[in-house]
Amino acid sequence: QVQLVESGGGVVQPGRSLRLSCAASGFTFSSYGMHWVRQAPGKGLEWVAVIWYDGSNKYYADSVKGRFTISRDNSKNTLYLQINSLRAEDTAVYYCARDRGQWLVGEVGYWGQGTLVTVSS
Amino acid sequence: DIVMTQSPDSLAVSLGERATINCKSSQSVLYSSNNKNYLAWYQQKPGQPPKLLIYWASTRESGVPDRFSGSGSGTDFTLTINSLQAEDVAVYYCQQYYTTPPYTFGQGTKLEIK
Repeated sequence: QVQLVESGGGVVQPGRSLRLSCAASGFTFSSYGMHWVRQAPGKGLEWVAVIWYDGSNKYYADSVKGRFTISRDNSKNTLYLQINSLRAEDTAVYYCARDRGQWLVGEVGYWGQGTLVTVSS
Repeated sequence: DIVMTQSPDSLAVSLGERATINCKSSQSVLYSSNNKNYLAWYQQKPGQPPKLLIYWASTRESGVPDRFSGSGSGTDFTLTINSLQAEDVAVYYCQQYYTTPPYTFGQGTKLEIK
């Protein structure tokens, strides 16, 4: 079955960098668009970024543009999110998520359990 | 960017009754070339990741009970839960995925039992 396992979260000081990873299994990773979605404590969902199945296109929320970079390694079935210049408002659970359908990019069909990033001095 | 606004922010419904959640987009999410509305609904229970319920505004995801239904077109959409069950207590989100990202979520609607 589809599995998405995030890692790399933790407590980080403001201004530092962090790289999140998402190990995917149970499906043909290279055939699906992948997303990062975050959720601040007690708050709603915020879509963060998406990468096309082949890595050819990447898009970001305005709130993270210029600081976050989404990437993927289809040979390793792994999705990444590089986060630079961390701010207190980046504190959230970060979910790795897969498109519902192959090749398309749109609705999210599967979600990981999330990894918590806490930005604090 | 497209802004998604849900109403109400919270509601309480009796077991066995109907719950209705609304979602409005700041611009149409209907793609005229295929007549599809690029709108999804998700359910998030406490301590869990979200779960896809509905896509293309009205297509139920596999395994989702048929008491969940989606309707609407253009800018106005509705998620209806018939015969509310205790396990339906959750926060519900709409999301648009129309053309070029960003794909934005509504602020969420918290559903409780009255």
